[in-house]
Amino acid sequence: DVKVTQSSRYLVKRTGEKVFLECVQDMDHENMFWYRQDPGLGLRLIYFSYDVKMKEKGDIPEGYSVSREKKERFSLILESASTNQTSMYLCASHEGRGHRDTQYFGPGTRLTVL
Amino acid sequence: DQQVKQNSPSLSVQEGRISILNCDYTNSMFDYFLWYKKYPAEGPTFLISISSIKDKNEDGRFTVFLNKSAKHLSLHIVPSQPGDSAVYFCAASSRVNTGNQFYFGTGTSLTVIP
Repeated sequence: DVKVTQSSRYLVKRTGEKVFLECVQDMDHENMFWYRQDPGLGLRLIYFSYDVKMKEKGDIPEGYSVSREKKERFSLILESASTNQTSMYLCASHEGRGHRDTQYFGPGTRLTVL
Repeated sequence: DQQVKQNSPSLSVQEGRISILNCDYTNSMFDYFLWYKKYPAEGPTFLISISSIKDKNEDGRFTVFLNKSAKHLSLHIVPSQPGDSAVYFCAASSRVNTGNQFYFGTGTSLTVIP
């Protein structure tokens, strides 16, 4: 079974703090994704990565950056957290381009920015 | 612009009856569709998928129907059970971007009443 883990289930931070969210997958997947989920807005893609050190902006990259130094690990960074970044953050992985398969999601991190 | 839409934010159904969740898309390049189920404080889990070469795919109590001309898909759950109560997301991708981009709807919250 594919396993995607996220470093924290719940996180509370203050405005202006730098926040790191980490995601690790154990299936040697090529692609990894960061989404945020907000009520009424569904899942919105922040960034994705299709290879080590490669990244692509999603629909809402502003205020976020990412890092993929190793294939199994994809980090989301909030350089200076703001209250409008309070959300559920979901990491996902996928086998890679051309593969008709599902994405596998981690359990999510509920981030609250005060 | 939302390329995948779920116009019903919520749905309530009696236990044992059929649940029908709907999803519309606008991009004619989409040719692979997925449904995910999400419980609170958990990541989405894959439920069922369908390729555009088919118009129906069945897996136990879950059936997905695809109407390409109408750009519409639906998920049928028969019979509905209380454990089916969750948020359901539909998602779509295209052959060109398979594995690289998934577009999600805003979700439908299903409540199955015992």
